[in-house]
Parts: sequence; C-alpha cells; structure tokens
Amino acid sequence: SQTIHQWPATLVQPVGSPLSLECTVEGTSNPNLYWYRQAAGRGLQLLFYSVGIGQISSEVPQNLSASRPQDRQFILSSKKLLLSDSGFYLCAWSPLARSYNEQFFGPGTRLTVL
Amino acid sequence: SQQGEEDPQALSIQEGENATMNCSYKTSINNLQWYRQNSGRGLVHLILIRSNEREKHSGRLRVTLDTSKKSSSLLITASRAADTASYFCATAGANNLFFGTGTRLTVIP
Repeated sequence: SQTIHQWPATLVQPVGSPLSLECTVEGTSNPNLYWYRQAAGRGLQLLFYSVGIGQISSEVPQNLSASRPQDRQFILSSKKLLLSDSGFYLCAWSPLARSYNEQFFGPGTRLTVL
Repeated sequence: SQQGEEDPQALSIQEGENATMNCSYKTSINNLQWYRQNSGRGLVHLILIRSNEREKHSGRLRVTLDTSKKSSSLLITASRAADTASYFCATAGANNLFFGTGTRLTVIP
C-alpha cells in the first residue's frame, strides 16, 4: 500500500532563517506531488506541484521554492523565512495518470516563524 | 477563480442529527470531491462525484451534484461525535485540485 511521510511534524524558526521540509511517498511510482499551505482556519492554497523529477510548477509567487530530486521525494525550501510563512504545510500525491482523481495527503508540518 | 466555496462556514448539531454542507463553484468541472480534515491533521478523501453523475452514496455520506447550478451538497446522516471535523470540497483543474475554505462541523454528544 502507499504511504506518504512528512517531517518534521512541527517546527519553530526565527525570521530570516532557512527552511527545508521533506515529503516522501512509498509504494507508488511516478506520482504527481503537491505542496499546499493552510493558514489557521482557512482552506488550502496550492504552492507547488510536480509531475516528474526536476519538474516544478509554481502557483503563487512567494518566498518559497520546491525541488524534486528523486521520483518520490519532494522538498519545500526557503532561504530566509518571513513571518507570513507561518502555517500548516501539507504534501500530497496523486497517481500520475489520474490527475483528476483523489489526492492523498501527508500528516502535515506546523511551521511557526517568530 | 475555480475555487469552491462551502456553506455554512460552521455547523453545530446534536449527535444523531443529519448534517448538510453545500459547495458552489464557478467553472465547468471534470469532477468534484469532498475531503475531511481532523484538527491539525492531513486531509482524507471521502468521495468523488463525476460531472455526469447527480448523486452518490458511501456509507452515511450522500453527495449530490447540480452542474447547472454549479453546486454540490454533502449530507452526513445519523451524525456521530467522531464526525467532528472540517469538510472541504475540491474541484479538479488541469493538474491539481482547487479547495474551498471548508465547513467546520461540530457534533455534540
């Protein structure tokens, strides 16, 4: 069966520090991968998605970047965090051939920037 | 925007009652999906209804879709305290899903 992991689960970082959040998927090949951010009490904002290694599409101009160094690994990064980067970050995957179908979410990372 | 909008934003009911949540969207869709999110957790897929379907059931869940009105509803029958969560509708774009802002459901035991 497929599983998706995210770490760390929680993170408190000072403004101006770098960020690296990691997401890995097991049990599937060639998944579509997604990074979302959810502000407190709000819906999900799509940040990045990837249809293959090294292929990243950005949905929102921001202080963040994403990379996909391996088929089942998706990394969200920042060189210098802003207060507005605080939020709940969710990684998700969907079968490549079924991009209209359901997405499977990881447990999320709670990021607090102070 | 292709994003869905749920209504109401919050709903509080007694255990055993039915809960109905609505979703409206603005563009044509391939399908519409409903997800559940427990507090501080990831989203879990509940049900998918295709644009050529009008109603779909899964256990205590019933979803309807009216493409002429660009709206969908999620009905949870005989609610339980464990149904307390946020519920999101999502519409499918070319490469991703567009999520609404969610309905916060509280089921009081």
